[in-house]
Amino acid sequence: DAGITQSPRYKITETGRQVTLMCHQTWSHSYMFWYRQDLGHGLRLIYYSAAADITDKGEVPDGYVVSRSKTENFPLTLESATRSQTSVYFCASSEQGATNEKLFFGSGTQLSVL
Amino acid sequence: GEDVEQSLFLSVREGDSSVINCTYTDSSSTYLYWYKQEPGAGLQLLTYIFSNMDMKQDQRLTVLLNKKDKHLSLRIADTQTGDSAIYFCAEKRAGRRALTFGSGTRLQVQP
Repeated sequence: DAGITQSPRYKITETGRQVTLMCHQTWSHSYMFWYRQDLGHGLRLIYYSAAADITDKGEVPDGYVVSRSKTENFPLTLESATRSQTSVYFCASSEQGATNEKLFFGSGTQLSVL
Repeated sequence: GEDVEQSLFLSVREGDSSVINCTYTDSSSTYLYWYKQEPGAGLQLLTYIFSNMDMKQDQRLTVLLNKKDKHLSLRIADTQTGDSAIYFCAEKRAGRRALTFGSGTRLQVQP
């Protein structure tokens, strides 16, 4: 019962470097999401994906890139990290057709950009 | 999370009831949720309510929805120290797949 796993758990990087955060789910859920959590802002949606090869922007997509070549994986890439991207990143998934839209979250990746 | 508002902090004594409040702005919201986040962990769904309901009870949890005022509350009866966490209110708006979250309320339970 692996569920949804994120890696790494913690990451420190420098401004300008490329960073990829991984997300893997074992439920074959169609939908996957990336949120960032910042003090005073709660969770804000970065990108989401309805299925393999289908992605869409959320509320704060600038500076991020996603891909979904396989249903189970949804990596998030910071192309050139900035200090403002220091945050806790959560991946989530949900079933297609689930009208009550329950989200299942990973444990998060704490990213620090120096 | 700008359109979903919550107070930042609530402190209660063990055994008392806790009431966490949330206001939202979108009248098209179909479902409203309460998630719990324990330290160092992701969010876990606690409960949810469909927008045509006024109340939902699940063991120690009671959710009240006032659709006219766009106000949602979560009552935790007999609050325990294990209930200490951050509680997020979230809404699902019609036509959107992703949920919109509030900023979270940190509940501190004092022994």
